[in-house]
Amino acid sequence: AQSVTQLGSHVSVSEGALVLLRCNYSSSVPPYLFWYVQYPNQGLQLLLKYTSAATLVKGINGFEAEFKKSETSFHLTKPSAHMSDAAEYFCAVSEGAASKLTFGTGTRLQVTL
Amino acid sequence: SQTIHQWPATLVQPVGSPLSLECTVEGTSNPNLYWYRQAAGRGLQLLFYSVGIGQISSEVPQNLSASRPQDRQFILSSKKLLLSDSGFYLCAWRASGSHEQYFGPGTRLTVT
Repeated sequence: AQSVTQLGSHVSVSEGALVLLRCNYSSSVPPYLFWYVQYPNQGLQLLLKYTSAATLVKGINGFEAEFKKSETSFHLTKPSAHMSDAAEYFCAVSEGAASKLTFGTGTRLQVTL
Repeated sequence: SQTIHQWPATLVQPVGSPLSLECTVEGTSNPNLYWYRQAAGRGLQLLFYSVGIGQISSEVPQNLSASRPQDRQFILSSKKLLLSDSGFYLCAWRASGSHEQYFGPGTRLTVT
């Protein structure tokens, strides 16, 4: 079975600083990988997806992620954090013909002034 | 464009009462549909998924059931709620041939 590990349940950055959220996956086949964002009491919003095309994936709100097969990683980055980026972020891997998602445990991003 | 609706948004129910949560998708045909639960400290857990009308796959043995009476309607039910059924229930859809899922706004269920 596939799995996802997110290192760091809480990350705090200053406004304007680099955001780096880590995700490592385990998969026996080429994976489909996703990052989702969740604001309090809301559903999940798709930030970006990797589907075996370009290894550097650009998403919404200035986020991007790089797929590194050798490191089995799919870290999420943003050059300059904004207060509105404060939320919980989930990395997920898609599995099987039904494309069931397996999620990491999430990383809560705090942005301070 | 496609939209996904869930209702109710919040629900407080006593232990032993029945449950019915509804999810509908607009703007697409024959979507794959999913129910997830997000409970405190337990992350996101896939409960059920459906690839078509009347076709339901259960991921975790539990007190809940799901049905898909129409192409774009997915219902989560229980005959008797348990305290452990409390959580945030999310419905999602996926277009055939794609891999990404799109989530609804969720239903917050509190069992008292």
